[in-house]
Amino acid sequence: KAGVTQTPRYLIKTRGQQVTLSCSPISGHRSVSWYQQTPGQGLQFLFEYFSETQRNKGNFPGRFSGRQFSNSRSEMNVSTLELGDSALYLCASSLRGAFAGELFFGEGSRLTVL
Amino acid sequence: SQKIEQNSEALNIQEGKTATLTCNYTNYSPAYLQWYRQDPGRGPVFLLLIRENEKEKRKERLKVTFDTTLKQSLFHITASQPADSATYLCALDRDNNAGNMLTFGGGTRLMVKP
Repeated sequence: KAGVTQTPRYLIKTRGQQVTLSCSPISGHRSVSWYQQTPGQGLQFLFEYFSETQRNKGNFPGRFSGRQFSNSRSEMNVSTLELGDSALYLCASSLRGAFAGELFFGEGSRLTVL
Repeated sequence: SQKIEQNSEALNIQEGKTATLTCNYTNYSPAYLQWYRQDPGRGPVFLLLIRENEKEKRKERLKVTFDTTLKQSLFHITASQPADSATYLCALDRDNNAGNMLTFGGGTRLMVKP
């Protein structure tokens, strides 16, 4: 069974640009969550999608957005990039619907903002 | 405010010994707690989940305890091996949260020396 796939794995952008990251969950998983990981703040929750609807949202500015498609694949977008957005962005999928269960993480997309 | 604390200092132990990692939380009433392992440059990998009404959970060489009175979880690795060297993260769901939204601690780095 294929795991969670994230693309691209690495990318470099400059301030003011925007970026779109993609996540393909494990087959059959309908919940997709996004996390930002930095050395200073650790793993921080961005948002979660379930059946194409945003179900939970973390404390990030509106520059961070996401969506989920009918095949459960998800994308997140960061607009007007800032230096502080440099981080490892992790996507996680879960089989459980109503209540949180174990998360299956991808390898992440490492974003560097210059 | 809600807070999850893990020892930020690395834990160094000798091969064969038992490693014990601590996760403390405040202003939380989680329904359950999870532990993950993360290797450098990789996404976290789920290890164990323990519910609030469970005192202890075991899986092979791993053992987790959950004391809701002390607001603490202990994670034990018995007969530790150099391959157990990694960062270990604890994670809690948010109170009355429906969905997959976990809050992670900062992680503790474990180094097992041969």
